[in-house]
Amino acid sequence: QVQLVQSGAEVTKPGASVTVSCKASGFSFSNYGVTWVRQAPGQGPEWMGGISSYKDTTTYAQRFQGRVSLTKDTSSNTAYMELRGLRPDDTAVYYCARDGRMGVMVTANDYWGQGTLVTVSS
Amino acid sequence: IQLTQSPSSLSASVGDRVTITCRASQGINNYLAWYQQKPGKAPKLLIFAASTLQSGVPSRFSGSGSGTDFTLTISSLQPEDFATYFCQQLNSYPRLTFGGGTKVEIK
Repeated sequence: QVQLVQSGAEVTKPGASVTVSCKASGFSFSNYGVTWVRQAPGQGPEWMGGISSYKDTTTYAQRFQGRVSLTKDTSSNTAYMELRGLRPDDTAVYYCARDGRMGVMVTANDYWGQGTLVTVSS
Repeated sequence: IQLTQSPSSLSASVGDRVTITCRASQGINNYLAWYQQKPGKAPKLLIFAASTLQSGVPSRFSGSGSGTDFTLTISSLQPEDFATYFCQQLNSYPRLTFGGGTKVEIK
């Protein structure tokens, strides 16, 4: 069955960097894009960016541009999200999600990781 | 593209018919998905392409709409349906947007 399993919770200090991993199984990882979303406490989901199945093309939300990097390692079926220059307001649960398709069109994030809590505190 | 959900919260009883709306700031064809989220859990896909039920989702959930106005309906609310619901637009994929959410609470 399709699964996305994320790395464990992180506690970091302001100014540091964090990398969250997302290991996929049960489907052909190279044929799907991966979207990253975060959710601050009590807030709705916020799109951070995505890495597509086409040449691993990345797209980032303007507010994270320059601070976030998304990568995919097809040899290990793992996607990664690195966020740099962490601030206390980056404290949130970070999710990876598969870009589900109907034909060639992406129609939803059909499978999600379990989430990774990143806490930024001095 | 902005998505505005209404209401932001509602109280309902088991068996009630519940309707949640999502309005897009510009036309998004039918590239709209609906998710259910319970506390401490990842969002769960309910509906994609505005009206297509995801496999395994109960048929009491339905979606409709196209262009800018969309609706999620729960025909007969069940105890396990108390949760927060989000809409998401994928018309501008890979740039995605979520609505602000609707919390469905027990009356």
